[in-house]
Parts: sequence; structure tokens; C-alpha cells
Amino acid sequence: QKEVEQNSGPLSVPEGAIASLNCTYSDRGSQSFFWYRQYSGKSPELIMFIYSNGDKEDGRFTAQLNKASQYVSLLIRDSQPSDSATYLCAVIKDTGRRALTFGSGTRLQVQP
Amino acid sequence: EADIYQTPRYLVIGTGKKITLECSQTMGHDKMYWYQQDPGMELHLIHYSYGVNSTEKGDLSSESTVSRIRTEHFPLTLESARPSHTSQYLCASSAGQEIDTQYFGPGTRLTVL
Repeated sequence: QKEVEQNSGPLSVPEGAIASLNCTYSDRGSQSFFWYRQYSGKSPELIMFIYSNGDKEDGRFTAQLNKASQYVSLLIRDSQPSDSATYLCAVIKDTGRRALTFGSGTRLQVQP
Repeated sequence: EADIYQTPRYLVIGTGKKITLECSQTMGHDKMYWYQQDPGMELHLIHYSYGVNSTEKGDLSSESTVSRIRTEHFPLTLESARPSHTSQYLCASSAGQEIDTQYFGPGTRLTVL
């Protein structure tokens, strides 16, 4: 079992719709959770992080965390073609190392 | 916006050559990291550093080595490049605070012929 699991996609949504991206993690002691966006051939760029149960909103993006279910999600409202990219979920596990463990990413396609 | 730089951005080199990939950051971050990513695949941590003269190996075994003599500089070296080393190498840094958000450089795409 991978430590961070994501559906590889592609997830295809029409422009203006809500895109929902999901991620599960195996280490119950994981502390912090991050969503990165990566365009093809580019490096990951941070969208947002979350560390408390519940929702966190930033513009069109909402991160949701449920530690009991070991589940974190990212909602993108009013999806735009420019949102088409691979979305990477990453966690910091409960270890002294505190480096990120990444999922393999979900490819999102927003259709104009 | 993170100020983290990597050079070269692209490198094509022959088997057996020694190469050094440069990474520098101007944010004064204590923690720096090297990740390796093959096309369409996930990122794997290969090295990290928590400060000057501190380096550790990551999750993915790598024949590369790193050094951290200055806070802002974290170069990665391959003594003898092989085609299996062909990949994208991404450098990141973080302030080492409670949330520990990592910011990535633009990456170096290495091709070993």
C-alpha cells in the first residue's frame, strides 16, 4: 500500500464546474497536508496546506481534512482551462524528518 | 513567491561524466531537499539537509551525493553519470517552522546518453 494514494485520472470537468480531487494517507500520525499543482514539465507550486480537521478556503480552492478517515480533498470551484494540471497531495508524517511524502498525483482536465 | 534557483535547467551528458547540479535559495531557509521525478511519476525524496554540515539520505536510494557548506547552497553530485540517472531533479527548501511548507525550484532535466 502506498503511503499517499491518489486516483491518477484524468478527471475531466467542464469549464465552470467544481472539480473534486481526493487523497488518502496511511500514516495515522501524519500532521500536515499540502496540495501542489504541477504543470507538465514544470516544478510543483503550492496551492494550500491544511493541518486541522474541517475545511480551509482560499479563493476558488477549498481543502478538506478528515483525520479519522485519513482523507484529504481539494475542491476547485468555477474550474478554468488554466486549472488543467496534475494535482499532488503531500503529507508530513509524524517523524522527526518532516520531509514531504507525495502521492502520484491526479491529472485534471478542464474542458472549455 | 519563493526564491530558489537551479542550474542548469537542462543537461545532456555522456555516460561516465561527473556532474554537479546546483541549487541555491535566498530566503535563509535551514531545510533543503532534493527530489527525483520521472515523467508522469511521483516525486521521491533522495536527499535532505536540516542545516550547514547536515545531510541525510531520503526514501529513494540514489548514487548521488550532496553537501551543505553554506546555508543557501545545496549542490548534488553524480560522480559517474549513467543512463539510469536520466530524470528530473527538483530542489526545495523550507523555513523549518511548524507547518514547514516547502517551495520548489524550477528543476533540472538531466539526460544521460
